Amino acid sequence: QKEVEQNSGPLSVPEGAIASLNCTYSDRGSQSFFWYRQYSGKSPELIMFIYSNGDKEDGRFTAQLNKASQYVSLLIRDSQPSDSATYLCAVTPGGGGGNKLTFGTGTQLKVEL
Amino acid sequence: DAGITQSPRHKVTETGTPVTLRCHQTENHRYMYWYRQDPGHGLRLIHYSYGVKDTDKGEVSDGYSVSRSKTEDFLLTLESATSSQTSVYFCAISEPPNPMPQHFGDGTRLSIL
Repeated sequence: QKEVEQNSGPLSVPEGAIASLNCTYSDRGSQSFFWYRQYSGKSPELIMFIYSNGDKEDGRFTAQLNKASQYVSLLIRDSQPSDSATYLCAVTPGGGGGNKLTFGTGTQLKVEL
Repeated sequence: DAGITQSPRHKVTETGTPVTLRCHQTENHRYMYWYRQDPGHGLRLIHYSYGVKDTDKGEVSDGYSVSRSKTEDFLLTLESATSSQTSVYFCAISEPPNPMPQHFGDGTRLSIL
C-alpha cells in the first residue's frame, strides 16, 4: 500500500470550472500536508500547506484536510489553461521527522478551453 | 524564487563512472535534500542534511553518498553510476519551524548509458 495515494488522471475540466484534486495518506500521525504544482519538465512549486482540519484558502486555491478520514484535497476555482500541470500531494510522517516529506505520484490536470 | 542553483543541469555519462551533482543555496536554510523523480514513482528522498556535516539517509539511498561542508552547498555523489540511476534529480531546502515547506531547485537531468 502506497503511503500517499493520488489518482494519476488526467483530470479534465473546462475553463472556469472548479477542479478537485484528492489525496489519501496511510500514516494516521501525519501532521502537515502540502500541495505542489509541477509543469512538464519543471521543478515542483509550492502552492500551499495545511495542518489543521478544515479549509484553508489562498486566492483561487482551497486546501481541505480531514484527518479522521485521512484525506486532503485541493480545489482550484475558476480553472485556467495555465493551471494545466501535475499536482503533487506531500505529507510529513507522524512521530516527528517533520522535515521529511513523502510524495504522492501526482494527478495530471488538464484545463480545456 | 528560492535561491537554489543545481549544477550541472544536464549530464550524460557512462556506466561505472563517478558523478557529482551540486546544490547551492543562498537562503541560509538549515535543511537540504536530494530527491530523484522517475515516472510511476514520484519524488523519492535519497539523502538529506540537517546541518553542516550532518546527513541522513532517505528512502532510496543505496548507491549514493552526500556531503555538506558548508551551509550553502550539498553534494550528491554516485560513486559508480549505473543505468538504474538515470533520473531527474532535485535539490530542495527548508527552514524550521514546522511545517517547513520545501522549495526546489530546477533539477538535473542525468542519463547514464
